[in-house]
Amino acid sequence: GAVVSQHPSRVICKSGTSVKIECRSLDFQATTMFWYRQFPKQSLMLMATSNEGSKATYEQGVEKDKFLINHASLTLSTLTVTSAHPEDSSFYICSASGTGALGPEAFFGQGTRLTVV
Amino acid sequence: QKEVEQDPGPLSVPEGAIVSLNCTYSNSAFQYFMWYRQYSRKGPELLMYTYSSGNKEDGRFTAQVDKSSKYISLFIRDSQPSDSATYLCAMKSGAGSYQLTFGKGTKLSVIP
Repeated sequence: GAVVSQHPSRVICKSGTSVKIECRSLDFQATTMFWYRQFPKQSLMLMATSNEGSKATYEQGVEKDKFLINHASLTLSTLTVTSAHPEDSSFYICSASGTGALGPEAFFGQGTRLTVV
Repeated sequence: QKEVEQDPGPLSVPEGAIVSLNCTYSNSAFQYFMWYRQYSRKGPELLMYTYSSGNKEDGRFTAQVDKSSKYISLFIRDSQPSDSATYLCAMKSGAGSYQLTFGKGTKLSVIP
């Protein structure tokens, strides 16, 4: 299957600072990338959908000014958590979908565990 | 009613048992069905992807789709301790839509 690399896998930051998480598709062009948040023992909660070259579409209740998403190329999307607070501590996961022969499956990154202290 | 229902378990089975994991859904527009395995603190890993009603086999895994009943299953034969993980079903509508709808996940433990 296709490979999606997410970095960093773990980050600890101070309250009030910003954190950037990168999501890269290594061997395919990702026309669409998704960002999820997952709380302990819960399923994935979709935060936003981003298409290359256009603004992200955020799910209801997700603050677009707090969770900045950039999808500047077909292989890279970034999520920046701005002015992080302890309640932003969570597991963030990206996924990517390509086109054509790749099929309709979504491939996930390894996830980023964010801890805000 | 949620779009996708999945029993969260936990499900505990002895090594070598056959495991049956299931999801039901209400949206008849769903056409593509996937099963993901997620180990603790890792991203989901795609296990199986199906489109048609019927069975699809890959090694010890069999995915089954019954569109008339809006019911999908994942069977694991000869279960191993390494199969211990959370299994998520996911589904989506037409090929042009990339957004997945997930079940809550079933936590499976295979006891040696």
